[in-house]
Amino acid sequence: DAKTTQPTSMDCAEGRAANLPCNHSTISGNEYVYWYRQIHSQGPQYIIHGLKNNETNEMASLIITEDRKSSTLILPHATLRDTAVYYCIVRVDNYGQNFVFGPGTRLSVLP
Amino acid sequence: DTGVSQDPRHKITKRGQNVTFRCDPISEHNRLYWYRQTLGQGPEFLTYFQNEAQLEKSRLLSDRFSAERPKGSFSTLEIQRTEQGDSAMYLCASSLDRGRSGSSPLHFGNGTRLTVT
Repeated sequence: DAKTTQPTSMDCAEGRAANLPCNHSTISGNEYVYWYRQIHSQGPQYIIHGLKNNETNEMASLIITEDRKSSTLILPHATLRDTAVYYCIVRVDNYGQNFVFGPGTRLSVLP
Repeated sequence: DTGVSQDPRHKITKRGQNVTFRCDPISEHNRLYWYRQTLGQGPEFLTYFQNEAQLEKSRLLSDRFSAERPKGSFSTLEIQRTEQGDSAMYLCASSLDRGRSGSSPLHFGNGTRLTVT
């Protein structure tokens, strides 16, 4: 079973920041938080991951709470092309079976 | 394009036929994974390879399924005697294991969509 809970769906206005929350209250100290997204008919696309510190790359920012029980993925200026299902995953090692996808959050960016 | 490549993108087959899918990982990646995804669900793990060794298999991988990765490069996933329940998207992913736990993202291909009629 997935170790994360996410809202089923969210809307965001184009050009605004999209903030996608994820709860992972049972996360262990050596588990990383990963975010992926999937656009219809494509494979999941890696976005960002982190352990304790906040992370930023060209796609997004990842904010992890101090107790690491939740995190937020931030898309700073959402575009229509950001409409997708976003998956939050916690993972302790490189074994595939521990890379468990839940149902994710369906983000709709509205014009 | 240096991403994960999967072939074919779509496959329609009749029940009882055998099918084979191919995955070409990112060239320097030593780990290769197969996942299956049905409509409305997240991807589910099937199996993974470290170089040419198949190290783990899910209970989802029945004896009709076999995966290989000869010489640790490309991989094939074969389904024998297909059933309608095998209809799904089959996703391949690869990663580079540098020996540091948990810090190697998987990079996915765009999958092979199988339809069994």
